[in-house]
Parts: sequence; C-alpha cells; structure tokens
Amino acid sequence: QVQLQESGPGLVKPSQTLSLTCTVSGDSINTGGSYWNWIRQLPGKGLEWLGYISYSGNTYYNPSLESRLTISLDTSKNEFSLRLTSVTAADTAVYFCARQLKAYDDLWGSYRVFDYWGHGNLVTVSS
Amino acid sequence: DIQMTQSPSSLSASLGDRVTITCRASEGISHNLVWYQQKPGKAPKPLLHAASRLQSGVPSRFSGSGSGTDYTLTISSLQPEDFATYYCQQYTTYPWTFGRGTTVEVK
Repeated sequence: QVQLQESGPGLVKPSQTLSLTCTVSGDSINTGGSYWNWIRQLPGKGLEWLGYISYSGNTYYNPSLESRLTISLDTSKNEFSLRLTSVTAADTAVYFCARQLKAYDDLWGSYRVFDYWGHGNLVTVSS
Repeated sequence: DIQMTQSPSSLSASLGDRVTITCRASEGISHNLVWYQQKPGKAPKPLLHAASRLQSGVPSRFSGSGSGTDYTLTISSLQPEDFATYYCQQYTTYPWTFGRGTTVEVK
C-alpha cells in the first residue's frame, strides 16, 4: 500500500520560506510513470495544483507560483520536498503531497490521476 | 489556464436520491477529467478518470459522462457515506486545474 506523509512547520512568518517534505512508502520515488506533486487547499476554498517533480527529476510548476516555488527529490530517502519563498497570508492553506499516476486505459488510452495523497499539513502564515 | 466551473456549489439530498453534478471547462478537454470525493479533514479520493472510467474499488452507483467542455458525475442512489464534497479536475493542459467543488448535504 502506497502511503505519503507530509512533514514541516505549521506556522511560518510573512516573507519567510515555507518548507515541507513528503515521505513516500510502499513505492519507489524512482518508479517510471509516477509524478510527485504538491497541491494546496486554501481555507474554505478549492484545490490548487502547485507543481510536480518526475521520477527523473524533471519539474513543472504552476505559472502562478513559478517564481517562488522549488520542488526537489531525495531518492536516497524516498522523499520529495517543497520550498515556497516570500510567503504571505494568502499562502495559508492545507498542503497535500500526492502521487499522480500516468497509466493506460483500454478505451481512452493514456490518463493521469492523483491516486495517493498525504493527510495534509496545515500551514498558517502569520507573524 | 483552463477554468473548471462546477454546479451547483451545494445541494441537499436524501438517501436513495439520484444526484447529478455538472462540471464545465472553459475549453474542450477531450475526456481528460477526474472526479474526486473529499470528506472533512481528509484528502480527496479519486472516483473516476477519463471522465467515465471507475477507479478500482469505487462502487458502481457512481458514473460519469460528457464530452467536449461539459461533464457530469451521477450518483444513482445516494448512500450515507456519499455525503461529501466532489471536485472535478482536468489533465488536458498545464496547469492542472480543479473545480470549486460541490457539497452534497443531508436534506
């Protein structure tokens, strides 16, 4: 069974850097076809995809955050991390890590799905 | 970015009711759509991919349909465990985007 677990501080001061780590068990982060993502849920609002890192270390970021966001991989620890700089109150959210599987369906061909998620880490930006 | 608009934002229903939720994309997404269910304090759980294909282990009372820009999620007979918030998400074009959610509440 694949499990993901976020870890990191629950409180960050404005203008500082938010750092979170996602530890993966039950799957190797080196597995082809898997993409390791960060998604956040703003208070009382919907879900926002932040970006991913692939098994090979390629990254893709949401353009709305690209200038402040870095996602990295540590294959020796089977974990990946998020770093978001210059945070403001607008970055207060529950941060989820999730695996996106790229798989194949007989009828529709290639598809992608966030199939495993962490429990979420509430991060509050406040002085 | 592709905007995903869900309707209604919330609905009240009774056990056994048939429930339909709509998701409209701002441009065609070629069935590249996932429906998720989220319960309070939990992570979202995928229900269907490719708009209409059930994820493994998901009950058959959940179904999806649609094409182009318009998609629907249907629960054929609402069960107690189905009271939750449902989100659609497109994976046609980066950045991946989600709808704002539809909350199914007890009537």
